[in-house]
Amino acid sequence: QLQLQESGSRLIKPSQTLSLTCSVSGGSISADFTSWSWIRQPPGKTLEFIGYIHHTRGPHYNPSLESRVTISLDRSRNQFSLILKSVTAADTAVYYCAKASGFLDTSGHFDPWGQGSQVTVSS
Amino acid sequence: SYELIQSPSVSVSPGQTATITCSGDDLTGQSISWYQQKPGQSPVMVISRTSNRPSGIPERISGSKSGNTATLTITGTQVMDEADFFCATWDIIPVFGGGTRLTVL
Repeated sequence: QLQLQESGSRLIKPSQTLSLTCSVSGGSISADFTSWSWIRQPPGKTLEFIGYIHHTRGPHYNPSLESRVTISLDRSRNQFSLILKSVTAADTAVYYCAKASGFLDTSGHFDPWGQGSQVTVSS
Repeated sequence: SYELIQSPSVSVSPGQTATITCSGDDLTGQSISWYQQKPGQSPVMVISRTSNRPSGIPERISGSKSGNTATLTITGTQVMDEADFFCATWDIIPVFGGGTRLTVL
């Protein structure tokens, strides 16, 4: 059974860089018809797509975050990572990693999800 | 940017049918997925491709679409179904609705 587990920075200061990693078990990040996603949820709000990456087709980012975001794969560790630069309080959220079906698949979906990592941006 | 509109809350009594809607411009050709999120937990996909129910999801949960409105229906609602439900579709990126809190009391 595929499982995802987030790890990384929890409390960071404004202007710093957020770094999270998602470890994948029970499947390969090099699988076809699969992209590896980051999604966040600010307190009391809905979900926001940050971006995802396919092992051959590369990343696809939310245009509103694209200038600050990098998503990458580590095939040797079967992990993928999120870097978000120049954070502000508005980036405070629970950050989820999730497996997405396909790449740029307009009938795609997210399943399963990691347990989530609370990230707080505060001085 | 593209918006999916959901009612903030729905309340039903145990055993009743809960109907949660998701509206957007030009949804007729769009595929919808639905996610259930219980307090303190991560989302779980309950419906993909508008009406497909993955294995392990109870048969009382179903999805449909008519025109520009997608609907998640839970028949014989149980207390354990209490959660926030989010719909999602694609614009240039995946877009989520604002969420509907289902209360069963």
